Amino acid sequence: SQTIHQWPATLVQPVGSPLSLECTVEGTSNPNLYWYRQAAGRGLQLLFYSVGIGQISSEVPQNLSASRPQDRQFILSSKKLLLSDSGFYLCAWSAGQVNTEAFFGQGTRLTVV
Amino acid sequence: GDSVTQMEGPVTLSEEAFLTINCTYTATGYPSLFWYVQYPGEGLQLLLKATKADDKGSNKGFEATYRKETTSFHLEKGSVQVSDSAVYFCALSVNTGNQFYFGTGTSLTVIP
Repeated sequence: SQTIHQWPATLVQPVGSPLSLECTVEGTSNPNLYWYRQAAGRGLQLLFYSVGIGQISSEVPQNLSASRPQDRQFILSSKKLLLSDSGFYLCAWSAGQVNTEAFFGQGTRLTVV
Repeated sequence: GDSVTQMEGPVTLSEEAFLTINCTYTATGYPSLFWYVQYPGEGLQLLLKATKADDKGSNKGFEATYRKETTSFHLEKGSVQVSDSAVYFCALSVNTGNQFYFGTGTSLTVIP
């Protein structure tokens, strides 16, 4: 069966520090991968999605970047965090086929102080 | 463009009450429709889905019917429990299956 792992679960970082969140998927190949951000009490904002290695689509211009160095690995990064980067970050995958759903990781709670 | 409009919350119900959370969509082509549930501090879990008009998705007592004529996918449950307290998201995916669009979420609290 397929599983998705996202870490760390919580993170407290000072303003101006770098960020690296990692997400890996097991049990499937060539998945679509997604990074979402959820601000407190608000909906999901799609940040990046990828349909293959090295193929990244950015939905919102911001202080963040994403990379997909391997088929089932998706990394969210920042060189210098801002206070506004605080939030709940969710990684997800889908089979990229019509009528299939997205599966989510457990999320990372990032607090920038 | 493709989008989902979801009923504003928060919603507070007494245990065993009837639940409806409204969801309407705008989409090009023929989308698939989903309801996800998020418990505090966790990721989203798929609750149910429907992939074509008049399909009814159901799970754990929750139901939603894909209504193409009204572009709606309302979530219903006949008798809610305290354990149903969570945030519920309506979502759609477009024909290619590559992108998902989510509503803003509806927070449900069920009180004993």
